[in-house]
Amino acid sequence: AQSVSQHNHHVILSEAASLELGCNYSYGGTVNLFWYVQYPGQHLQLLLKYFSGDPLVKGIKGFEAEFIKSKFSFNLRKPSVQWSDTAEYFCAVIGTNTGGFKTIFGAGTRLFVKA
Amino acid sequence: DVKVTQSSRYLVKRTGEKVFLECVQDMDHENMFWYRQDPGLGLRLIYFSYDVKMKEKGDIPEGYSVSREKKERFSLILESASTNQTSMYLCASTGTGTKKGEQYFGPGTRLTVT
Repeated sequence: AQSVSQHNHHVILSEAASLELGCNYSYGGTVNLFWYVQYPGQHLQLLLKYFSGDPLVKGIKGFEAEFIKSKFSFNLRKPSVQWSDTAEYFCAVIGTNTGGFKTIFGAGTRLFVKA
Repeated sequence: DVKVTQSSRYLVKRTGEKVFLECVQDMDHENMFWYRQDPGLGLRLIYFSYDVKMKEKGDIPEGYSVSREKKERFSLILESASTNQTSMYLCASTGTGTKKGEQYFGPGTRLTVT
């Protein structure tokens, strides 16, 4: 069965620290990959996405993620976090060569950035 | 901008009540989804719909039903609410013009069943 594993459920960082959130998925075919973010009290929104091409993708607010196909990973990074990055982050995957519509989400990682 | 709206942000219902959660999107999207979000479990798909009057079960459909009579509106129904259905409910939509899996979410409805 398809699944998404996020390595950390809770992360606490100080401002200016570097961030890396791990995401691994299990799916045998071609995939589209996503990171979504939910800021406190706000909608879940798309942070960045990978469909094809350059495996290093850049999103909003200085975030980037790298797709490593051999490792089935799509880790999220930011070189220097800010207090406003405090949020919950979800990795998600969907197979592209099936007729299905089901996106699989990870359990989420709650990031708290200390000012 | 795509806008997905949900009928209530907060809802408190009693055990056994019938509950309706409504979702409306304004981008003519074909596909609509209902998820529940629980701490440590991420988003779990309850039902989705890929066309008017069409519906498919997700991972956790038990205790829920859905209705899609119009393209822009997708309703989630709890036939007889139970305390284990206390959760955050998220609606999402996506269209053929967007890449597969790229979803637009509503603000969520936090349902408490007492």
